[in-house]
Amino acid sequence: KNEVEQSPQNLTAQEGEFITINCSYSVGISALHWLQQHPGGGIVSLFMLSSGKKKHGRLIATINIQEKHSSLHITASHPRDSAVYICAVREYGNKLVFGAGTILRVKS
Amino acid sequence: EAQVTQNPRYLITVTGKKLTVTCSQNMNHEYMSWYRQDPGLGLRQIYYSMNVEVTDKGDVPEGYKVSRKEKRNFPLILESPSPNQTSLYFCASSLGGWYNEQFFGPGTRLTVL
Repeated sequence: KNEVEQSPQNLTAQEGEFITINCSYSVGISALHWLQQHPGGGIVSLFMLSSGKKKHGRLIATINIQEKHSSLHITASHPRDSAVYICAVREYGNKLVFGAGTILRVKS
Repeated sequence: EAQVTQNPRYLITVTGKKLTVTCSQNMNHEYMSWYRQDPGLGLRQIYYSMNVEVTDKGDVPEGYKVSRKEKRNFPLILESPSPNQTSLYFCASSLGGWYNEQFFGPGTRLTVL
């Protein structure tokens, strides 16, 4: 079992839909990141979380430390949101573990 | 403009021919790291550096070397590349490790024949 599991692996949505991507991890962590990888390959950091909830524009990220679970929500999705979304956790001791990514396609 | 640059962006080489991929950041970040990305395996950390002259291994350091002689530069060295090092490589930097926003370079696509 991978230490970081993302679901779903693939997601197709219609423009305007509310989208949720989930990340579950099995170890104790000190921080969790959500990254976005564009179709051209570039990677952008969206959020860093150690507790609670963060919001940036149409994106919302939450984390539940007790349940070892984080979610990334996209409200009013748009075709430009089409990308791969990657969850990454920093374990205690500096080890980094990445999820396999969720491929999101938003159709107009 | 704040950025992380990598060179080259694309490289095709042959087994055993030493190569260096450069990484440079202009944000005065202390933390820099290298990752490789492979289909089905995702991103994996190769090496990281907490500051000048301080480097440490990540998950997949075999076959790679790094150095951090200046704060802004963190080159990745493949002394004797092999085909299993064909991959997409990313450099990243941040103010202080993974408690801060990570800034990624554009990636270097390496093919070793």
